[in-house]
Amino acid sequence: DGGITQSPKYLFRKEGQNVTLSCEQNLNHDAMYWYRQDPGQGLRLIYYSQIVNDFQKGDIAEGYSVSREKKESFPLTVTSAQKNPTAFYLCASSFGNIQYFGAGTRLSVL
Amino acid sequence: QKEVEQNSGPLSVPEGAIASLNCTYSDRVSQSFFWYRQYSGKSPELIMSIYSNGDKEDGRFTAQLNKASQYVSLLIRDSQPSDSATYLCAVNVKGAQKLVFGQGTRLTINP
Repeated sequence: DGGITQSPKYLFRKEGQNVTLSCEQNLNHDAMYWYRQDPGQGLRLIYYSQIVNDFQKGDIAEGYSVSREKKESFPLTVTSAQKNPTAFYLCASSFGNIQYFGAGTRLSVL
Repeated sequence: QKEVEQNSGPLSVPEGAIASLNCTYSDRVSQSFFWYRQYSGKSPELIMSIYSNGDKEDGRFTAQLNKASQYVSLLIRDSQPSDSATYLCAVNVKGAQKLVFGQGTRLTINP
């Protein structure tokens, strides 16, 4: 099956802990994105990558980090510096300007 | 002014009627416009894209673009309860392969 796989579906973070959200795609798309969605809100861009080994900050990058070592993978780390991490995190990849989304990861704080 | 603005709703429409969703954007050089549907607790799915002025129809959905007035709209004909969802408008940023999303309009179709 072609698509974008995010894991885990649910994640809990303890105070002071870093957690990593996985995003894998087999669509052969060059560009990948991470968004954060808070209840009743739209999507806010955290980081994006247009090519392997390169990525750019989005609008709310503080407290997050990413890597893009392989075309298929774009993991997001939520660091302890992100004081309000509870949200729905969405990964996307794009063909041209059309973005396709994974199923998302819900992150909560214990 | 937000880059992409939508009325958050909720917008309530009777079953079988036409639902009209609107979106305005601030960047005059934007060239690509998208409507995504997001069911509660799920991820967004693309339902329409539009690139030139005028109307684009796909089944019960019609996207309308007016670049001079900087708005894009989505019409849903013969609304069904399954159309109840949040609709997100997205606009590309010229020179960067990224989109800016509006906050979404929550649509409820009443049987």
